[in-house]
Amino acid sequence: GAVVSQHPSWVICKSGTSVKIECRSLDFQATTMFWYRQFPKQSLMLMATSNEGSKATYEQGVEKDKFLINHASLTLSTLTVTSAHPEDSSFYICSATGGGGAFGTQYFGPGTRLTVL
Amino acid sequence: EDKVVQSPLSLVVHEGDTVTLNCSYEVTNFRSLLWYKQEKKAPTFLFMLTSSGIEKKSGRLSSILDKKELFSILNITATQTGDSAIYLCAVEGYNTDKLIFGTGTRLQVFP
Repeated sequence: GAVVSQHPSWVICKSGTSVKIECRSLDFQATTMFWYRQFPKQSLMLMATSNEGSKATYEQGVEKDKFLINHASLTLSTLTVTSAHPEDSSFYICSATGGGGAFGTQYFGPGTRLTVL
Repeated sequence: EDKVVQSPLSLVVHEGDTVTLNCSYEVTNFRSLLWYKQEKKAPTFLFMLTSSGIEKKSGRLSSILDKKELFSILNITATQTGDSAIYLCAVEGYNTDKLIFGTGTRLQVFP
């Protein structure tokens, strides 16, 4: 139980294009979903927190107009990287709570590796 | 400012060795500390610790929390090459569901 999927697992795009990444909780309703970014050899950095039906809360320094988050249902959140540039190349990971585990346990998706040329 | 510091940053050992990974933290209204193992993809959950002095154990891995001194350790005994990974420590406060991650410890186990 408590499986989170992400799609796509990797994407390569040209500079200036937009990329959408989906995060789904497969067997539970996710009350909250989180989006992280991880650069090589660095730890996970939280980008934003989203609750179904409400606007995402962005961490300091994360441009909300560049990283659009839509949490349309209790099982789906999307992150759209708009007008992507090479410096946006990173590993993007989502996680979700509400999977019935210990209180506060976040279940992570497998991640999406974005490469912007 | 809430923060999590892990040490060492990197560790290289031989199979069979025992390793201890450290995590110290500062967080407002501490709720829990979590350990994750990250190989090539997203982190996988190892332990959640909320109470001081109670050891959590899973096979060769064990962890304990000291809320007075604000740190936790993760022990791995009889290491195997499959233990090679980045081990992440994260803490959570009551004010929020957010996890604050440390930079991780990269463990490499050689045969």
